[in-house]
Amino acid sequence: NAGVTQTPKFQVLKTGQSMTLQCAQDMNHNSMYWYRQDPGMGLRLIYYSASEGTTDKGEVPNGYNVSRLNKREFSLRLESAAPSQTSVYFCASSEDRATEAFFGQGTRLTVV
Amino acid sequence: EDQVTQSPEALRLQEGESSSLNCSYTVSGLRGLFWYRQDPGKGPEFLFTLYSAGEEKEKERLKATLTKKESFLHITAPKPEDSATYLCAVRLDTGRRALTFGSGTRLQVQP
Repeated sequence: NAGVTQTPKFQVLKTGQSMTLQCAQDMNHNSMYWYRQDPGMGLRLIYYSASEGTTDKGEVPNGYNVSRLNKREFSLRLESAAPSQTSVYFCASSEDRATEAFFGQGTRLTVV
Repeated sequence: EDQVTQSPEALRLQEGESSSLNCSYTVSGLRGLFWYRQDPGKGPEFLFTLYSAGEEKEKERLKATLTKKESFLHITAPKPEDSATYLCAVRLDTGRRALTFGSGTRLQVQP
């Protein structure tokens, strides 16, 4: 099993460009999450999906949108990238909202 | 406001020198406390879940404990391969129930 797979691993965007970060899990988990990690600030929740067909805002949702395409896939879209969105993005999944989450390897995004 | 604080921010140990990392939390309705290990350039790797005060979990040289206000990750006789950032996270009983993370402790074990 691959677990949680994120693509791409690295990306450089110009300010104002858009892109979608892809995430897929093969563990049949119900809940999926997007976090960003910045130096000294830990992991902060952007959006989450408690189950297929539902999405909710996390701590830092501004500038992002998400789509829970099906039970396996949860994508994160930046409509108009800004330098403040330079970060490492992690997707995670858990069986439900009460259990441990498993993380992907991350996408390192630089906005210039 | 719910908060998770980890200390120290960084810790340097000699191989074999045991120590403890601390995670304190000021949340209501704790539904679980989670420890993760993160290596540079990698995603967090799940280590332990603790659900109630007094609970302990062990894995190789690591032992996690939980009280009503904090958790400790004890590292016994560490080896250089234990060098990593250790993250603590809590899950609440209400609201979104996604994990809320501390900023982590960077551990370096020197041979």
